[in-house]
Amino acid sequence: IAGITQAPTSQILAAGRRMTLRCTQDMRHNAMYWYRQDLGLGLRLIHYSNTAGTTGKGEVPDGYSVSRANTDDFPLTLASAVPSQTSVYFCASSDSGQGDTGELFFGEGSRLTVL
Amino acid sequence: GQNIDQPTEMTATEGAIVQINCTYQTSGFNGLFWYQQHAGEAPTFLSYNVLDGLEEKGRFSSFLSRSKGYSYLLLKELQMKDSASYLCAGMDSNYQLIWGAGTKLIIKP
Repeated sequence: IAGITQAPTSQILAAGRRMTLRCTQDMRHNAMYWYRQDLGLGLRLIHYSNTAGTTGKGEVPDGYSVSRANTDDFPLTLASAVPSQTSVYFCASSDSGQGDTGELFFGEGSRLTVL
Repeated sequence: GQNIDQPTEMTATEGAIVQINCTYQTSGFNGLFWYQQHAGEAPTFLSYNVLDGLEEKGRFSSFLSRSKGYSYLLLKELQMKDSASYLCAGMDSNYQLIWGAGTKLIIKP
């Protein structure tokens, strides 16, 4: 059982380029999330989706977009990357959505460096 | 504002007991989570408390005091594999998770 798969694992990107981080889960969870993790800071929510076809903004959504065409996939796109978006990005899912207290299952992370 | 405070780093000895504290300020409260994160890996769920008291799960226990805005994670019989960061997260009235920066636990032989 794979759980949640993220790709790429690591990427170096020139500023101004477009980048999509992929996230796929095989647990049939309703809710999916994108977080960024920076040294000295807690995880910060970028965008979330309670169910296929719906998305919502988290704490730090600017510069990022998401889509949720089906249950399994939740890609995160940086339209025009900037150095402040250098971070480790985690995709997560839960068997419930915003509005419930289910535990989160995380992918292994995507380390993105924007130069 | 909403805030989670936990120590940045702690050191303990293999076989000993360590308590990692967390204080929280959230707009409303729907529970307190603890996650473990080994270096370079994904966070994994450890515990969830919504009522006051101690919840025990093997070598790990988690305590909550809602009146004090306080929680702790207690790790007993420490093993080298317990070296990791421990993340405290409070859930507010909108069911949003507010995350602490994590406590890096170093276990020495």
